[in-house]
Amino acid sequence: AQRVTQPEKLLSVFKGAPVELKCNYSYSGSPELFWYVQYSRQRLQLLLRHISRESIKGFTADLNKGETSFHLKKPFAQEEDSAMYYCALETGANNLFFGTGTRLTVIP
Amino acid sequence: DTEVTQTPKHLVMGMTNKKSLKCEQHMGHRAMYWYKQKAKKPPELMFVYSYEKLSINESVPSRFSPECPNSSLLNLHLHALQPEDSALYLCASSLGQDQGEQYFGPGTRLTVT
Repeated sequence: AQRVTQPEKLLSVFKGAPVELKCNYSYSGSPELFWYVQYSRQRLQLLLRHISRESIKGFTADLNKGETSFHLKKPFAQEEDSAMYYCALETGANNLFFGTGTRLTVIP
Repeated sequence: DTEVTQTPKHLVMGMTNKKSLKCEQHMGHRAMYWYKQKAKKPPELMFVYSYEKLSINESVPSRFSPECPNSSLLNLHLHALQPEDSALYLCASSLGQDQGEQYFGPGTRLTVT
């Protein structure tokens, strides 16, 4: 069975500090991983996906199959990064299985 | 139009009522999804429609009945719900079931009394 673990429910960092949101997964197939973000009073939206290898809003995430991780990183946090972040695993034909989420607060 | 819309925003219903949730998109997407999100929990997949046909039912109780009348519309018919069914119901769509990111609607917050 698949599993997505986000160990931190809450994470606070100061503005300008580096931020890392952890995600570990367990899946027997070939994983496709995503980070979704939900800003206050806004809908859930895709932040990035591992196959695109993009940097969105300064965030990057590298899939590490050896450590079964897909941690989200940003070198300098901004106040507007405060949001709920979900790591998600695609288990087949676009079926998303979400982790429990991490609420990031960036302190001014 | 690049949004998924959902109506109503809020719904309160009794356990004997019948109501429907509506989801609409005009992006030409051929896959549509229903998710359930309980408070402080992640979204959980309920149903997937691909080309207007139900392709996935994640063992959802029959008191939830999805319907896809056309490629732009997705309904969720509700009947004889329980208080534990109170949640945020999210609709999403994607280009196809195996392609493209999922675009989410704002959700309908359902309260069953």
